[in-house]
Amino acid sequence: DIQMTQSPSSLSASVGDRVTITCQASQDISNSLNWYQQKPGKAPKLLIYDASNLETGVPSRFSGSGSGTDFAFTISSLQPEDIAVYFCQQCDVLPITFGQGTRLDIK
Amino acid sequence: QVQLVESGGGVVQPGRSLRLSCVASGFTFNHYAMHWVRQTPGKGLEWVALITYDEVNKYYADSVKGRFTISRDDSKNTLFLQMSSLRPEDSAIYSCARVNLRGVPMGGFDNWGQGTLVTVSS
Repeated sequence: DIQMTQSPSSLSASVGDRVTITCQASQDISNSLNWYQQKPGKAPKLLIYDASNLETGVPSRFSGSGSGTDFAFTISSLQPEDIAVYFCQQCDVLPITFGQGTRLDIK
Repeated sequence: QVQLVESGGGVVQPGRSLRLSCVASGFTFNHYAMHWVRQTPGKGLEWVALITYDEVNKYYADSVKGRFTISRDDSKNTLFLQMSSLRPEDSAIYSCARVNLRGVPMGGFDNWGQGTLVTVSS
């Protein structure tokens, strides 16, 4: 199975800060990497697919980059409504695997 | 709008069976591959099973292979997960999810249900 190592596990930042989360795959997954946001009691929401494509309706302050084994997810200017847990997911090969999540809160 | 609604969860004893359902609306169900994913506070998100749009191919996580069966009834826009020989470690919130592109088995999950809680305990 492909292991997805996500860091940090938690992050505290101020409104307006630039925030970056990374995800490393244990083997080459090309660009088959997605990022999700999950708020308490809600289903995960797809933000970025295929490493860098912004899902329809998602604010442009969210972005993704990377290919192969190393990926990054960035919020360019943190907003209060961005408080959530963020997950990466590889969909290159089965079994699909997820990162352990990054809990993001406001400092 | 796209909607996925799961049902069928509950408390069940180890070794027993349970069938989960996911009713889809707002899109052409038989055009999309569907997945089941489960989530626990301790293990996070775990992919469980995949069924292709045409039901030709089904795939399972090793942890559930031989015990769980994924199926779909396109006439009823419904996805199923038949779970048997349940174990305490199967306790989780189970969600169905749709792949973001028609016809392909893998991709981003652009729509998820709210989930149904399964608790396996004596």
